[in-house]
Amino acid sequence: EVQLVESGGGLLQPGGSLRLSCAASGFTFSSYSMNWVRQAPGKGLEWVSHIGSTITTIYYADSVKGRFTISRDNVKNALYLQMNSLRDEDTAVYYCARKLPSGYSYGLDYWGQGTLVTVSS
Amino acid sequence: DIQMTQSPSSLSASVGDRVTITCRASQSINNYLNWYQQKPGKAPKLLICAASRLQTGVPSRFSGSGSGTDFTLTISSLQPEDFATYYCQQTYNTPNTFGQGTQLEIK
Repeated sequence: EVQLVESGGGLLQPGGSLRLSCAASGFTFSSYSMNWVRQAPGKGLEWVSHIGSTITTIYYADSVKGRFTISRDNVKNALYLQMNSLRDEDTAVYYCARKLPSGYSYGLDYWGQGTLVTVSS
Repeated sequence: DIQMTQSPSSLSASVGDRVTITCRASQSINNYLNWYQQKPGKAPKLLICAASRLQTGVPSRFSGSGSGTDFTLTISSLQPEDFATYYCQQTYNTPNTFGQGTQLEIK
């Protein structure tokens, strides 16, 4: 069974840093690209970042570029999101999601349960 | 960036109704269009990828169509468990933008 379990969320002040983790199991993690998607309270979904299966491709939303860093460990089957210089508008539930290959138009077929990040003074 | 516009933003319907949600891209995205269903407090669920490819386990009352810039999600006969928020997403290029969502409510 495919499972994605996020951790690391919490409450912190503006300007702070946080590292989110996503533990993957039930599939060959190293064969899949992975994404982070977030959802602010009561709002819609916002794509945050992408990392390719072999880390050759990394992309970010403009809203987080230069502040967030996506990474992965294909030995530990883990995905990470290092979040620096956090702002109030980064408050959201952060989801990790597995990305299907191009033949399936890169849909996100498995999602974690999400971890809440709250940035507030 | 490619903008994705869904309509309507909200919709009231009854069990058994046929419902259509549309998604328009600001430029051609071929068929790189995915549809998700999200229920309150839960993660999104992928329903359809590549505009019309139903995910395994998704009921056949859901269908998707379209190519280029205009896409539709149709639910042929609404069931009580279908009341949720639906999102489209383009994965033609980055950022992989989502539509603003369509909240489907019980009439």
